[in-house]
Formats: sequence, structure tokens, C-alpha cells
Amino acid sequence: NAGVMQNPRHLVRRRGQEARLRCSPMKGHSHVYWYRQLPEEGLKFMVYLQKENIIDESGMPKERFSAEFPKEGPSILRIQQVVRGDSAAYFCASSRSGTGVGEQYFGPGTRLTVT
Amino acid sequence: RKEVEQDPGPFNVPEGATVAFNCTYSNSASQSFFWYRQDCRKEPKLLMSVYSSGNEDGRFTAQLNRASQYISLLIRDSKLSDSATYLCGTGNQFYFGTGTSLTVIP
Repeated sequence: NAGVMQNPRHLVRRRGQEARLRCSPMKGHSHVYWYRQLPEEGLKFMVYLQKENIIDESGMPKERFSAEFPKEGPSILRIQQVVRGDSAAYFCASSRSGTGVGEQYFGPGTRLTVT
Repeated sequence: RKEVEQDPGPFNVPEGATVAFNCTYSNSASQSFFWYRQDCRKEPKLLMSVYSSGNEDGRFTAQLNRASQYISLLIRDSKLSDSATYLCGTGNQFYFGTGTSLTVIP
């Protein structure tokens, strides 16, 4: 049973470009979460999605960031017009159940570097 | 006040020692708690889940104190391989602490 998959593992973008990060949850998991981790900092929640629905996006910056989890295919975190401050590790996690009960399993992360 | 707070450490302990970390949470309605282990530049990996008073798995024991709103992780007989950052998180919301760094010294 494959774990949570993320790609690309490393992504380099110039300021102003777009970054697209992909996440495929574990088999049987329909809940996906995105987190950002800056060096020497903890995980910061960004968004929680179920298939075709955004359940909680309270941690998502208001501008330039969006996320989706279509009926078919991986979840996508999209960052438009990237800036240097977007450089971070972005982790996706999935769970079988939603909030309150489900352990989350993390993917290997995408390390975004903005030059 | 942060939703979840941890002592960042670092904790440097000799092999074989017992070490404990605490994690406090602010939302008294939280029902489930988790300890994750994160190695440098890797993803967090689930170590233990805590739904009631506590949980034990080999050398690792997690305890929950609802009255004082903290969970603890106890590691007995520390191994070199236990060196990592330990994150605690709550299940109701999506909050994680900043992690506690542990280095086990030969």
C-alpha cells in the first residue's frame, strides 16, 4: 500500500512564476491536508480538503494561494507569482477520517525554492 | 497564546537515559492527540496516538492530562536512533507544536 505521494520533491521557481505542488493521498483516504514548514519552525496548517470540497482554508494566505482536490487525480496546491518568502517545505497529509479522529500520514514533502 | 506549545529544547541526553517532553494545548475540547517524529529534512512520521489517558508502545509512553491540558511523551532507555524532532499535534484542529529536538549522545 503506497503511502502519501508528493511531487515534485524539489521545485525551483523564479520570483513571479507559478508553483504547482501535487499530492496523492494514501489508498482509502479521502481527506487531504496541506502544511507549510519553514526552517526551524513547526508545521503550519494551510488547508483541509475532501474530494471536490474545501473544508477549511483558514490557514491559507488570502492572495496567490489556492488548493483543489478534484474528483479524479491528485490534490493540487497552487502558488501564483511566488515570492522569496514562499520558500519552504510543503507537506501534504491524508487521513481516512476527518477531524477529531483520524491520524494523518504525511508525504515526503515538496521543497520549494524561490530565487 | 499558541494552540499547541512545546519546549523546543534541545534535549541532549546520554544513551540509556529516560527523557520526557511536555506539550500543552489551549483548546479544552480537543479529543485526540498525536506524537510525531521528524528527522532532519524528512516528513513527520506518526509515533503514537492518544485518545484517552495514555498509550504505551515499547520504550515510548504518552500520557494525557486533561485537567492541566498537556500531553507528555516519555522515552525510556534512549537509543542513538531516537535523535530527532518530536512534534505533538491535536486532532480536532490542525495544530502542531514547533517540535522538541532530542539528541542522544553515545
